[in-house]
Amino acid sequence: EIVLTQSPGTLSLSPGERATLSCRASQSVSSNYLAWYQQKPGQAPRLVIYGASSRATGIPDRFSGSGSGTDFTLTISRLEPEDLAVYYCQQYGTSPTFGQGTRVKIK
Amino acid sequence: EVQLVESGGDLVQPGGSLRLSCTASGFIFNKFWMNWVRQAPGKDPEWVANIDPDGSVNYFLDSVKGRFTISRDTAKNSLYLHMYSLRVEDTALYYCARGGDTAYRQFDSWGQGTLVTVSS
Repeated sequence: EIVLTQSPGTLSLSPGERATLSCRASQSVSSNYLAWYQQKPGQAPRLVIYGASSRATGIPDRFSGSGSGTDFTLTISRLEPEDLAVYYCQQYGTSPTFGQGTRVKIK
Repeated sequence: EVQLVESGGDLVQPGGSLRLSCTASGFIFNKFWMNWVRQAPGKDPEWVANIDPDGSVNYFLDSVKGRFTISRDTAKNSLYLHMYSLRVEDTALYYCARGGDTAYRQFDSWGQGTLVTVSS
């Protein structure tokens, strides 16, 4: 099983600031089968990034993903109030697994 | 518009059984792998099972192997999760999520979930 470790646990930033979220895998994620999801309170997760760096349909271009192998990053270039959420990384190879999430709070 | 609507969640005693359903619309159901993902209260999502478009191949989380089965009915555009020998630790909100044309695809659409509570 691939274990995904996300950091930091919580990120508290002001609107307009840059958010950088990290996801580290216990072994290499094949073919960059790495996605990021946004989960707002009381809602289902929503796909943000797939293939490590491709934005999902309808996701604003302030969201970007990067990385390969075992180290991946989600960047929100200019934080908006509606970006308040928990962000999970997921590897979707054999037996998909999720990270423990990073909570983004708006100051 | 892709829509996934889960149902069937309930309060059940340990050792009991339950069948969850997910009705899909807005896409060609028999072209996509489908998944069940659960999320215990205050916890991270956990993938549970998936099934191929034909309904002939499926995979399970180790902790549910031998207790859960997954199936689909193309005529009804429906996905099912049959849960047996339920344990307290199976308590969670269960989501169905659409995969892709192969097993290794992101989950691009999710339902709103159905709540399963296992308690005496």
